[in-house]
Formats: sequence, structure tokens, C-alpha cells
Amino acid sequence: QKEVEQNSGPLSVPEGAIASLNCTYSDRVSQSFFWYRQYSGKSPELIMSIYSNGDKEDGRFTAQLNKASQYVSLLIRDSQPSDSATYLCAVNKIRQLTFGSGTQLTVLP
Amino acid sequence: ETGVTQTPRHLVMGMTNKKSLKCEQHLGHNAMYWYKQSAKKPLELMFVYSLEERVENNSVPSRFSPECPNSSHLFLHLHTLQPEDSALYLCASSQDFSGQLNEKLFFGSGTQLSVL
Repeated sequence: QKEVEQNSGPLSVPEGAIASLNCTYSDRVSQSFFWYRQYSGKSPELIMSIYSNGDKEDGRFTAQLNKASQYVSLLIRDSQPSDSATYLCAVNKIRQLTFGSGTQLTVLP
Repeated sequence: ETGVTQTPRHLVMGMTNKKSLKCEQHLGHNAMYWYKQSAKKPLELMFVYSLEERVENNSVPSRFSPECPNSSHLFLHLHTLQPEDSALYLCASSQDFSGQLNEKLFFGSGTQLSVL
């Protein structure tokens, strides 16, 4: 079982729709969870972090965490073509970030 | 310059060559990292330096040799690489390596390496 698992996609949504990206992790001791965005040919950049169960909102982005189900998700409301990128889920366990393979999102105009 | 800068952006090398990747961070951070990113695979942590001391070495082959002369500079020396080492090599930094301060990584633009 992979430590951090994401559906590789590609995930396509129309402009203005809600994009839902999902991530599961295997180690229950994980405490911190992150979403990084990586545009094609560019480096990853941190867009969201979440530490507690529930929802955390930042602008059009909402991160959701369910530690009992070992599940973290990212919702992007009112998706824009500029949101087209690969989204990497990362989980922190004992001082080391473990990344998923990423989900490629395409927002269609 | 600001942030994390890496050179070169692209590198093509033969299996018998020796080359070095360079990373410099201008953020005043204490921890620096080398990651390998291959197509369709997760980012793989290779090395971590905290205050110029190596704190993590994730079973990386000896043909990759890191060097951290000070907290702002990080090198990755390459020799006798294999074609499967072709990948994007990313440098990153964080404020510190302890607690939650290692969680916000600032990445450089990466070096796209091709080994022929």
C-alpha cells in the first residue's frame, strides 16, 4: 500500500464548477496535511495546510480532513482555467513530508 | 534575487561524466533538501541538511553526493549516473527542520537531468 495515494487523473471540470481532489494516507500517526500545486514545467508551491479534523477554507480553496478515515481532500470552487495544474497531497510523519503522485486537473473554458 | 534558485535548468550528461547541481536560497532558512521527481511518481526525498549538517539520507546511491558548505548553498555532485537517474531534481528549503517549521517547503525551479 502506498503511503500517500491520489488518483492520478486527469480530472477535467468545466469552468465555474467545483473540482474535488482526494487523498488517502496509510499511517495513523500523521499529524499534518498539505496541498501543493505544480504547474507544468514549474516547481510545487504550497496552497493549503490542515491539522485538525473538519474543513479549512482559504478563498476558493477548502481543505477537508478526516483522520478516522485517513482521508484528506481539496475542493476548488468556481474553478478557473488558471487552476489547471497537478495537485500534490503531502503528509508529515516524524519530520518527513511524504508526497503522493499528484492529480492532474484540467479546467475547461 | 529572492526565493530558491537552481542551476542549471537543464543538463544532459553521459554515464561517465561528472557534473554538479547548485542550489541557493535567499530566505534565511536553516534547512535545505534535495528531491527527485520522476514522471508519474511521488516526489522522493534524497537528502536533508539542517544548519549545514546532513540529517537525512534516504538510501540514495553513492553516485549522488551532496554538499552543504553553508546554510544558503547546497550542491548535488553527480558521477557515473545511469539512464534511470533521468528526472527533475528539485531543491527546497524550509525555516527549520524541527517541529512544524519543516512543513512549508519553498522549491526551486529544478534541474531537468537527462542521462544518456
